Amino acid sequence: DSGVTQTPKHLITATGQRVTLRCSPRSGDLSVYWYQQSLDQGLQFLIQYYNGEERAKGNILERFSAQQFPDLHSELNLSSLELGDSALYFCASSVAGRSQETQYFGPGTRLLVL
Amino acid sequence: EDQVTQSPEALRLQEGESSSLNCSYTVSGLRGLFWYRQDPGKGPEFLFTLYSAGEEKEKERLKATLTKKESFLHITAPKPEDSATYLCAVQALGSSNTGKLIFGQGTTLQVKP
Repeated sequence: DSGVTQTPKHLITATGQRVTLRCSPRSGDLSVYWYQQSLDQGLQFLIQYYNGEERAKGNILERFSAQQFPDLHSELNLSSLELGDSALYFCASSVAGRSQETQYFGPGTRLLVL
Repeated sequence: EDQVTQSPEALRLQEGESSSLNCSYTVSGLRGLFWYRQDPGKGPEFLFTLYSAGEEKEKERLKATLTKKESFLHITAPKPEDSATYLCAVQALGSSNTGKLIFGQGTTLQVKP
C-alpha cells in the first residue's frame, strides 16, 4: 500500500458527460501528479500541483482540469468525454514536487466511456 | 525531444532463468532514472532511483544499473511472483523544479514455474 488513495476505482459513463476523479496524497506529501495510462500511449504525465499551486503541465487536454485543495487532496475533472478518454488515471504524490524525489502511485481509477 | 525506449516489449522466462531488461533514454540532461513494477490493474510500485552513470542498486533478485545512455534491470533466478510489467521513467534537466516523469512503454515479464 503506497498510502495514496484514489476514488472511485471504476467509472462508467457516456460520451459528452463530465466526471471527477479524486486523489488523497500520502501523509506529509505536498505535491500531487496526475497521469493517464492507455494501451497505445503508455503512462503520460498530465499535470502537477504543489501545495495548491499548479507547477507543471503536460499534454493535458483543454477539456480536462485539475485543482489541489487546502487539505492537499486533488481532483481531476474530465468534461465532454470522448471514447478515447477511456483509460486508467493515476495519481502520484511526493514530498516537495522536485526532481529526484520518489513518486508514489495510487491504485488508479479505471474510466470507461461508452 | 526527451524519449524513453524499453526492450524487449515482452519476455518469457523459466523460473531460475536470469535475464536483463533494457531502458534506453534520450534526454537533455538526466536528473534521475526510475524503475517501477506494475501488476495488472494496479498502480506502479517504486523499485529504484538511479542518478548518475555507474550507479547500481539492488533489491532481492533485482539489480538496476545506469550508463550515460541506458539502464538495465537484471533479474537473477526469477520466481513466478516476479511476473509483472516493469516500467522505466526519466526526469530531464529541464524539469528540475518539477517531478515530471517520462515513461517508457514497459517490459512485460512472465516467469513460468
